[in-house]
Amino acid sequence: AIQLTQSPSSVSASVGDRVIITCRASQDISSALAWYQQKPGKTPKLLIYLASNLKGEVPSRFSGSGSGTDFTLTISSLQPEDFATYYCQQFNGYPLTFGGGTKVEIK
Amino acid sequence: QVQLQESGPGLVRPAETLSLTCTVSGDSISAYYWNWVRQSPEKGLEWIGHINYRGSTTYSPSLESRVTVSVDTSKNQFSLKLRSVTAADTAVYFCARESYGGDSFDYWGQGTLVTVSS
Repeated sequence: AIQLTQSPSSVSASVGDRVIITCRASQDISSALAWYQQKPGKTPKLLIYLASNLKGEVPSRFSGSGSGTDFTLTISSLQPEDFATYYCQQFNGYPLTFGGGTKVEIK
Repeated sequence: QVQLQESGPGLVRPAETLSLTCTVSGDSISAYYWNWVRQSPEKGLEWIGHINYRGSTTYSPSLESRVTVSVDTSKNQFSLKLRSVTAADTAVYFCARESYGGDSFDYWGQGTLVTVSS
């Protein structure tokens, strides 16, 4: 199975900060990566698909980049509603797998 | 607006079968792949498997020996059965739609907590 390693596992940041989360795949997955945001007790929400495509209605402060094995999710200016846990997921091969998550906390 | 809703028992006894159903509204199940995912503090988000309207399935190898996913197009539903459960199967179970391009899960159910306990 393709393993996805996210770093950091948690980050403390302030409103207005730029936050970068990385996701490393154990093998080349091309651009077959999605990012999700999950708030406590809620469903994961799709932010980005195919590594860099923003889902409609997701704010433009979110962006994704990367291909192959190394990917990043960037929040350009953190807003209060962005405090959550973020997950990457690969769609290059079965079984589909998720990263371990990155919790963005208030500093 | 596409909506998915999981239903089923919240408590299952060890060694028995966990059964959940996902009802899809706002879209026909006769398109896309439909997925089951679970989440626990120990394992995080874990993909269980998926099915399309024709009944074509793919399962996670770690669960394949115990899992069956089925579809009922007449009811716009798909279902999960997980046999011989243990406490390690305690988790929040989500159903989710795989996007048309097969590159994301674009709609999710709210999730249902299933506890395995005697």
